[in-house]
Amino acid sequence: DAGVTQSPTHLIKTRGQQVTLRCSPKSGHDTVSWYQQALGQGPQFIFQYYEEEERQRGNFPDRFSGHQFPNYSSELNVNALLLGDSALYLCASSLWDKHYEQYFGPGTRLTVT
Amino acid sequence: AQSVTQLDSHVSVSEGTPVLLRCNYSSSYSPSLFWYVQHPNKGLQLLLKYTSAATLVKGINGFEAEFKKSETSFHLTKPSAHMSDAAEYFCVVSDRRDTGGFKTIFGAGTRLFVKA
Repeated sequence: DAGVTQSPTHLIKTRGQQVTLRCSPKSGHDTVSWYQQALGQGPQFIFQYYEEEERQRGNFPDRFSGHQFPNYSSELNVNALLLGDSALYLCASSLWDKHYEQYFGPGTRLTVT
Repeated sequence: AQSVTQLDSHVSVSEGTPVLLRCNYSSSYSPSLFWYVQHPNKGLQLLLKYTSAATLVKGINGFEAEFKKSETSFHLTKPSAHMSDAAEYFCVVSDRRDTGGFKTIFGAGTRLFVKA
């Protein structure tokens, strides 16, 4: 059983560009949450998707958007990239009614130059 | 409001001595609490979780934590540190919202150093 998978592993972008990160949840999970972990800090909650809708959102600007597909996989999109968006982006999956059992993926390392 | 405070950014212990990593939380709901460990360039690994059952929670690798509601604390302990315990540790609170879904907040992390 594959756990949470994320792609790509690493990504380098230029300021002002747009980026899309992808996440496949653990088999059987229906809820996906995204986190941003800047260097030397703890992960910060970006948003959460269930039934293809954004259900909860952290304190992130509208440049950060997402999508969930019918197969429960998810994308995180960031527009107009800033240097400060450089971070490890983590995806976590769970069941909607078991929020206390989140499984984290290995993350995508985004570098903005 | 929901928040997590890890009281020490760095903790240094000698191998074989006890480990104490401190965490205080704040939540308007009945939270679930977790400790995760992150080794350099590795993913997050769940050490243990509290979900309103027994207040003393045992996790992997000899770690345990005690939920103290009156003190709003969830400190992580281990009787004897091992060199392989050197890593970043995160205290996490997660609670379900009335509007649906849940929010998970991570503490800033505590870096554990283990001296030989």
